[in-house]
Amino acid sequence: DVKVTQSSRYLVKRTGEKVFLECVQDMDHENMFWYRQDPGLGLRLIYFSYDVKMKEKGDIPEGYSVSREKKERFSLILESASTNQTSMYLCASSFLAGQETQYFGPGTRLLVL
Amino acid sequence: AQSVTQLGSHVSVSEGALVLLRCNYSSSVPPYLFWYVQYPNQGLQLLLKYTTGATLVKGINGFEAEFKKSETSFHLTKPSAHMSDAAEYFCAVRAGNNRKLIWGLGTSLAVNP
Repeated sequence: DVKVTQSSRYLVKRTGEKVFLECVQDMDHENMFWYRQDPGLGLRLIYFSYDVKMKEKGDIPEGYSVSREKKERFSLILESASTNQTSMYLCASSFLAGQETQYFGPGTRLLVL
Repeated sequence: AQSVTQLGSHVSVSEGALVLLRCNYSSSVPPYLFWYVQYPNQGLQLLLKYTTGATLVKGINGFEAEFKKSETSFHLTKPSAHMSDAAEYFCAVRAGNNRKLIWGLGTSLAVNP
């Protein structure tokens, strides 16, 4: 079975802190994605990566950056956390972007105080 | 541009009743269509997908969906609802060579005893 793991299920941070969310997949997928999920807004794509060291902005990249140094790991970085970044963050991976199933991790619920 | 509309943000059915969750899409090229389910406090998992071929697609847990090009629809159905079907359901479309999935806002399904 494909497994996508996220470093934390719940996280509480203070405004202005630098926050790292990590995602690891074990299926040698080329593509990895970071979404945020908010009530009434569905899933919104923050960034995605189609290869090591390659990244593309999604729909809402402001306030976020990403890092993909190894194929299996995709990190989301909040440079200076703000309260409006309180959300559920979901990581996903797939073989071919859009053509194949995206496999999701369990999510990280982030609260920024 | 591609888009997805899920009619009804909340749907409530009785246990044993038909489940019908509606999804309409717009796409200028033949779409790939997906339904995902999210159980409480979990990530998303694929229910079913349509790429090419047979327009009636069967998925897990007794769900199926029919691709109707003339109606630009991909509605999700299940003949008899079970309490365990209570979850959030998301429709998504990938069109052409677009790397991303375009997501609907989701439909929350409640199943009443």
